[in-house]
Amino acid sequence: QSVLTQPPSVSAAPGQKVTISCSGSSSNIGQNYVSWYQQLPGTAPKLLISENNRRPSGIPDRFSGSKSDTSATLGITGLQTGDEADYYCGAWDSGLNAGVFGGGTKVTVL
Amino acid sequence: EVQLVESGGGLVKPGGSLRLSCEASGFTFSSYNMDWVRQAPGKGLEWVSSISSSSSYMYHADAVKGRFTISRDNAKKSLFLQMNSLRVEDTAVYYCARDPPGVHGFDIWGRGTLVTVSS
Repeated sequence: QSVLTQPPSVSAAPGQKVTISCSGSSSNIGQNYVSWYQQLPGTAPKLLISENNRRPSGIPDRFSGSKSDTSATLGITGLQTGDEADYYCGAWDSGLNAGVFGGGTKVTVL
Repeated sequence: EVQLVESGGGLVKPGGSLRLSCEASGFTFSSYNMDWVRQAPGKGLEWVSSISSSSSYMYHADAVKGRFTISRDNAKKSLFLQMNSLRVEDTAVYYCARDPPGVHGFDIWGRGTLVTVSS
């Protein structure tokens, strides 16, 4: 069981919006940055969002991140077939002195 | 080009050892914390170990504590993971990842190396 909790799957039609939640606690999301990763089938993960809401160079502004208290959210607007992938949230846990990930959310474009 | 390339994976029997390496290029290796993250077949991401830029701090997941050791050689721009007393449940693709200080967000990932523990 993962320290961070994500829904197993979300889906929407092309062009629509999806949001993925990531729930944690005061020792991880509550006091540290949240990052989001996209993993396309058969490839290594790729950083989408760092420091809660910062998009690295090259990441489209269709992807956005936010954080409130002990939860974080990834939003994807203008959904495309190429967005079908697994998405993971991650953070440092100051109580465990360990990195933690969510269990992953599979995004399906209907 | 900023790049991380892992090596050293393979098939090993339970109780055996392996040493993974990760060679960095295209950036100032000594300025970044580095991590190992693994992914068992069909499963999610699992953080394994982290080492600070000057090796002052090292952290390991409870699942590998006492069996795995992370280290680095800044002169050779290389990261290592010494894995001892391997178990079947350690079977996974092992990724090395760059970890900018103060962020714990992995901005560069290698392609991974597969470790299979089986008799």
